[in-house]
Amino acid sequence: AQSVAQPEDQVNVAEGNPLTVKCTYSVSGNPYLFWYVQYPNRGLQFLLKYITGDNLVKGSYGFEAEFNKSQTSFHLKKPSALVSDSALYFCAVSLAGGTSYGKLTFGQGTILTVHP
Amino acid sequence: EAQVTQNPRYLITVTGKKLTVTCSQNMNHEYMSWYRQDPGLGLRQIYYSMNVEVTDKGDVPEGYKVSRKEKRNFPLILESPSPNQTSLYFCASSPDTVGRGETQYFGPGTRLLVL
Repeated sequence: AQSVAQPEDQVNVAEGNPLTVKCTYSVSGNPYLFWYVQYPNRGLQFLLKYITGDNLVKGSYGFEAEFNKSQTSFHLKKPSALVSDSALYFCAVSLAGGTSYGKLTFGQGTILTVHP
Repeated sequence: EAQVTQNPRYLITVTGKKLTVTCSQNMNHEYMSWYRQDPGLGLRQIYYSMNVEVTDKGDVPEGYKVSRKEKRNFPLILESPSPNQTSLYFCASSPDTVGRGETQYFGPGTRLLVL
């Protein structure tokens, strides 16, 4: 079975400061990892993903994430937060290949609030 | 415009009254999936489909049915809805399966209330 944990329900940060939203995963094999964002009353939008290669992945709106295999983590980061980054963020994992390779498992979500 | 559409967007129904939530995509995607979103639980996958006539269970399939008779459509059927199926439902599609690292394109969501 595969799982994702986002240990913080909420993250608060001041505008201009760096932000980190944490994600750890469990999967029996090689993972594909994703970050999605949900703005109020809207659907989910893709931010970035790790498939293979460079452990540091860059995505939309200045976000990046670092894949750490030994710590089974995929934390989302941004050097300088904007008020408009305030939203609900989801980490997700799928198993690369294998019998469950159609499954996508999400974390419970982290509410990011950026204060002016 | 490339998109995933869902209908209806809002639905209030009563326990036991069969309902269908439609999902359609115009991107010729092979893979489609249904999720439900509940506070504190994130999104949980209900069913997914790799291609026409190929469907499989996600993590929370109980009480739901799906079919994939055409590539563009993937309806979610609740044959006898119960209050614990009150939730926000999302349909998504991608060119290929998430197991090959594909990005999901999400619909706008359907908010369902079962009384």
